[in-house]
Amino acid sequence: QKEVEQDPGPLSVPEGAIVSLNCTYSNSAFQYFMWYRQYSRKGPELLMYTYSSGNKEDGRFTAQVDKSSKYISLFIRDSQPSDSATYLCAMTGGAGTSGSRLTFGEGTQLTVNP
Amino acid sequence: GAVVSQHPSRVICKSGTSVKIECRSLDFQATTMFWYRQFPKKSLMLMATSNEGSKATYEQGVEKDKFLINHASLTLSTLTVTSAHPEDSSFYICSASGSRSYNEQFFGPGTRLTVL
Repeated sequence: QKEVEQDPGPLSVPEGAIVSLNCTYSNSAFQYFMWYRQYSRKGPELLMYTYSSGNKEDGRFTAQVDKSSKYISLFIRDSQPSDSATYLCAMTGGAGTSGSRLTFGEGTQLTVNP
Repeated sequence: GAVVSQHPSRVICKSGTSVKIECRSLDFQATTMFWYRQFPKKSLMLMATSNEGSKATYEQGVEKDKFLINHASLTLSTLTVTSAHPEDSSFYICSASGSRSYNEQFFGPGTRLTVL
């Protein structure tokens, strides 16, 4: 069983829709959670970084963490064609040490249609 | 946000030659840098972790003599693919963490290597 499970999609939605992306994990040592966006043939871009259960909002993006259920989500409101990309969840045990190794999900490919 | 650059962005080389890829953190000190490989429509595969001034730690199955990593300063790490072969063709991405935030990794734009 993989440590991090993410539905690979692909996911196709109309412009303006609310998008929900999800990851589950099995390792309770994971304490820091990230969402990256990766456009085709580009490096991943950090979107959200959270370390506690609950919600964190940044513009149209909301990251949600439920450590008791080992489940994290990324919500995108009012989705735009420019949001079309692959979204990767990532997590680490961290504990403040430098250079914490990330464990990634497989990535979900999202297409927002105009 | 933290900026990480990679050079070159794309390289085509002949089989048997060596290729060096540079990764630089432009606005923070990167105590740790990571090198990943990514195949089409796949997630990132960690190849190695390097701490400034130390030898790199390679993931299982990654040949350290094939993929030479140097992290000589807090802003620069290099990956050299030695005696490249067509099967080494891939998208190579570096990331860095350090003084900006130790648990976050900031990624470079990637280098596409094609070995003929």
